[in-house]
Amino acid sequence: NAGVTQTPKFQVLKTGQSMTLQCAQDMNHEYMSWYRQDPGMGLRLIHYSVGAGITDQGEVPNGYNVSRSTTEDFPLRLLSAAPSQTSVYFCASSYSISSSSPLHFGNGTRLTVT
Amino acid sequence: AQRVTQPEKLLSVFKGAPVELKCNYSYSGSPELFWYVQYSRQRLQLLLRHISRESIKGFTADLNKGETSFHLKKPFAQEEDSAMYYCALRGGWDRGSTLGRLYFGRGTQLTVWP
Repeated sequence: NAGVTQTPKFQVLKTGQSMTLQCAQDMNHEYMSWYRQDPGMGLRLIHYSVGAGITDQGEVPNGYNVSRSTTEDFPLRLLSAAPSQTSVYFCASSYSISSSSPLHFGNGTRLTVT
Repeated sequence: AQRVTQPEKLLSVFKGAPVELKCNYSYSGSPELFWYVQYSRQRLQLLLRHISRESIKGFTADLNKGETSFHLKKPFAQEEDSAMYYCALRGGWDRGSTLGRLYFGRGTQLTVWP
């Protein structure tokens, strides 16, 4: 039982490049989400999903796409990287969206856009 | 609108001293409140939630609806408590809420000196 696995751990991109941050969980969690963590800003929700085939926007969705074709995977795509997207990205999942279901976080991906 | 405010970006105490990390929230309904912790080089994890009324690692937090606060307290801080602490609020299925998403504060970096 690996929990929430994020890859890669580190990534450097040039402005305009695209890439996909991978997130997988093996806990059969329905709810998955992506956050970005910036100094002094806390964690801000980018996109989330309440089940396979269902995604929705969070607080800061611009410049990112997601899909949820399976329960296990929730990749985050950067369409055309910008320096403002330099951040640490966390994937998190929970069994459900109820309050009794805590979020389980991945180890994060540190992305630098030059 | 839901908002979580952690007024202290940094907090330092000496080992054995009491510590209180402040969290205030703004929410029109009945919130679910949580404290998450991120130790150095570890993933973000749930510390405690108000509905459980539990004490974890000596920490407690009481929801004060009159003051709209959920401060985290520990009577005797330990060096291993040094970490980043995030207060988070989960809304319900009411207006303006996004399917029970979690709203995070900006975090408080706690340092416990020996």
